Amino acid sequence: DAMVIQNPRYQVTQFGKPVTLSCSQTLNHNVMYWYQQKSSQAPKLLFHYYDKDFNNEADTPDNFQSRRPNTSFCFLDIRSPGLGDAAMYLCATETGTGGLPLHFGNGTRLTVT
Amino acid sequence: QKEVEQNSGPLSVPEGAIASLNCTYSDRGSQSFFWYRQYSGKSPELIMFIYSNGDKEDGRFTAQLNKASQYVSLLIRDSQPSDSATYLCAVKPSSGSARQLTFGSGTQLTVLP
Repeated sequence: DAMVIQNPRYQVTQFGKPVTLSCSQTLNHNVMYWYQQKSSQAPKLLFHYYDKDFNNEADTPDNFQSRRPNTSFCFLDIRSPGLGDAAMYLCATETGTGGLPLHFGNGTRLTVT
Repeated sequence: QKEVEQNSGPLSVPEGAIASLNCTYSDRGSQSFFWYRQYSGKSPELIMFIYSNGDKEDGRFTAQLNKASQYVSLLIRDSQPSDSATYLCAVKPSSGSARQLTFGSGTQLTVLP
């Protein structure tokens, strides 16, 4: 089945230790998003790619970076995780033809110790 | 500031009753409206989307949109314990990033057996 897959499902990292979260999709969608969701809060958009074009949200900290080496894969890099970065990280895709809605992956729960 | 407001709940209804979830939005020019269901610790799952004023029905779910009053609602008929989850309202704004959805913080629904 076509889908959005995030790995790992759970990630534990130490304060200040770089961590990378991955997302892959078999939907062949042009747009890939990264959201951060903290407990009882709305998902917050960090950035998105439209094909190779990177779009960063104005309030996304510089500590967060992203790479999209090809259509299928997208990575979220957190250069120096702080305790406040503990959250669920959601990858989502969209066709890019204006036809929302978003298709979400299962998420990665990040714990920072 | 474009915002999407939802009552956080918790909203409790008995099994078999109608659950009514409401959402208001501030951007009058918003075009697309989505309801996502999110189980605890899981990623959001699309339930319904609606673009035009009026009602849209899909099984036990009905989305209602009133652009003049800037609200969108979700009715769940014959509620089941498996419907217990957080329901996120998401709105596509009329300006800014064409790709960005604004999410509400969600309403927690509990269906009591």
